[in-house]
This record gives sequence, structure tokens and C-alpha cells, in this order.
Amino acid sequence: GAGVSQSPSNKVTEKGKDVELRCDPISGHTALYWYRQSLGQGLEFLIYFQGNSAPDKSGLPSDRFSAERTGGSVSTLTIQRTQQEDSAVYLCASSWGREYNEQFFGPGTRLTVL
Amino acid sequence: DAKTTQPPSMDCAEGRAANLPCNHSTISGNEYVYWYRQIHSQGPQYIIHGLKNNETNEMASLIITEDRKSSTLILPHATLRDTAVYYCIVRVAVEYGGATNKLIFGTGTLLAVQP
Repeated sequence: GAGVSQSPSNKVTEKGKDVELRCDPISGHTALYWYRQSLGQGLEFLIYFQGNSAPDKSGLPSDRFSAERTGGSVSTLTIQRTQQEDSAVYLCASSWGREYNEQFFGPGTRLTVL
Repeated sequence: DAKTTQPPSMDCAEGRAANLPCNHSTISGNEYVYWYRQIHSQGPQYIIHGLKNNETNEMASLIITEDRKSSTLILPHATLRDTAVYYCIVRVAVEYGGATNKLIFGTGTLLAVQP
């Protein structure tokens, strides 16, 4: 079946611009996660959704970062006024929910802020 | 979640078993050991998890010591496609009250399978 998909696969933007990254989880997965991976920080958690609500936003690095999830499915991660330190690969994962903890990861979106 | 310690890198000959160690000396009784791997330019991939009994699936075996303070992931017949960074993660499997199931990744072990 289809896995987690993310778009775009690559995004180059100028400092100060806003960007939106999209994640389509596996159908039926109620839990959705955003992570990012950068050279200096490794793989770090950003935000967790259960359905459309986000009980854990503790990993969002600043108020320039926000995310939403609609219909218990697609999620969008928005970064406002991008900075060069936002350059990273943004990874999305989904899982069945609390009882099933295998997380399925998408291929990621590589964001480059010039 | 308990901290884990892994060697930064390991080599393995193709066709031989790869044994990847992980120390988690502060693990709690309700914490599981999870293994994920990340092949270059791909997202992480779940491999296996266990609580205290040894586990085996089509990808690997997980051996957890009796005191649960360390574990070993075994790839029985390593291939070149198994070259990846392997992450050992220790965490509770199910959390209630709106808590998260986030994964906390360490630096992992870069396994290089040699031809």
C-alpha cells in the first residue's frame, strides 16, 4: 500500500519568506509526527498530532513554526520568515495511534534557506 | 526516556552477522527498547522492539540482557543494503493522558557493510 508521502521533496527559499510543507500520512493512521534532521542537531522531534489536535508541540523551535492537521489526515508545517538555521530535512511520520508504536516515515522535504 | 549509548560506527563483512550493541543502564521497568535504521537520504525505518524477552522478525533479532541494561540488534546475514545508521531508542510503548509517542533519536551507529 501507499506509504507516507511528503511534498515538495525539495524546497529552496530566500531568507524571510514563508514556506509550507505537506505530509500525507498512511490512510487510517491517527497519529502524525513531524521531525527535522539537520547536520548540527541530528533527528529532533517537532510536534505530534492525535487526530486533529496536537497534544505535544514541545519540539517547535520558535513561534515562527506552526502546524495543523485537517480531517485527521493531511498535515501542513508552516515556517514563517525563514532563517538560514531552518535549513534541514523535515520528516513526517504516522502510526496507528498509541497502541501501535511503529512509526512509518516519509522521504522528507529538504529545505534550503538562502 | 532513558539515555542510550551506541558505538559511533561499525564494519561488517557482507554475508556475516552484524551485532549492534546498545547500553541503556537507566532503563525503567515499563520502557521498551526500539530499533530504527536510516539508510542514506531516506526516512528512518522501524526494525524491531522488545521489553524483556528476545524478539525476532523477518529483518532482525533483538537480544535483551536479563537485567535489561543492554541489548544487541542482530542482522543475521548482512547485505550491502543494510549499510545505514542504526538507532537504539528506549521509551514507554503506550502513554496515556494525551502524552506523546515521540521518538528521541540519539546519534546512532553507522554500520558499513563491506563487500
